[in-house]
Amino acid sequence: DVKVTQSSRYLVKRTGEKVFLECVQDMDHENMFWYRQDPGLGLRLIYFSYDVKMKEKGDIPEGYSVSREKKERFSLILESASTNQTSMYLCASSLGSHTEAFFGQGTRLTVV
Amino acid sequence: RKEVEQDPGPFNVPEGATVAFNCTYSNSASQSFFWYRQDCRKEPKLLMSVYSSGNEDGRFTAQLNRASQYISLLIRDSKLSDSATYLCVVLRGTGRRALTFGSGTRLQVQP
Repeated sequence: DVKVTQSSRYLVKRTGEKVFLECVQDMDHENMFWYRQDPGLGLRLIYFSYDVKMKEKGDIPEGYSVSREKKERFSLILESASTNQTSMYLCASSLGSHTEAFFGQGTRLTVV
Repeated sequence: RKEVEQDPGPFNVPEGATVAFNCTYSNSASQSFFWYRQDCRKEPKLLMSVYSSGNEDGRFTAQLNRASQYISLLIRDSKLSDSATYLCVVLRGTGRRALTFGSGTRLQVQP
């Protein structure tokens, strides 16, 4: 079974902190994605990556950056956390763009 | 206008009922379509892909209408375990090659 693991289920951070969300997949997938999910807005794409050291902006990249130094790991960085970044963050991976995306269990981040 | 639009529901139906959800997408270059299911407080999981000719998987039937740019999901003989949020998902044919999600339709099947 494909496994996508996010480092934390719940996280509470203070405004202005630098926050790292880690995601690891064990199936040698090329593509990895970070989404955030908010009530009424659904899943919105923040960043994605097709390959190691490659990254592309999604729909809402402002306030975020990413890092993909190894194929299996894709990190989301909040440079200076703000309260409007309180959300559920979901990492996903897929073998190809047309294939099934597998999601991690999500990280519920609260910024206070 | 959102790229993928769904009626948020909730759809409250009795066990055994047939229920249908529709979804519209705005990018005519979209080339792949999916339905994902998300249970409460869980991650989304693929329910089924949607093919141009329509496809069926047990009690679930998915259809695509490219001319009108909508996708449908039909669930027959609803079970309590079908209660979940159903996400319509589209992959653009050009530009960004990542999945775009609708905000979901919530289904509640009642005994």
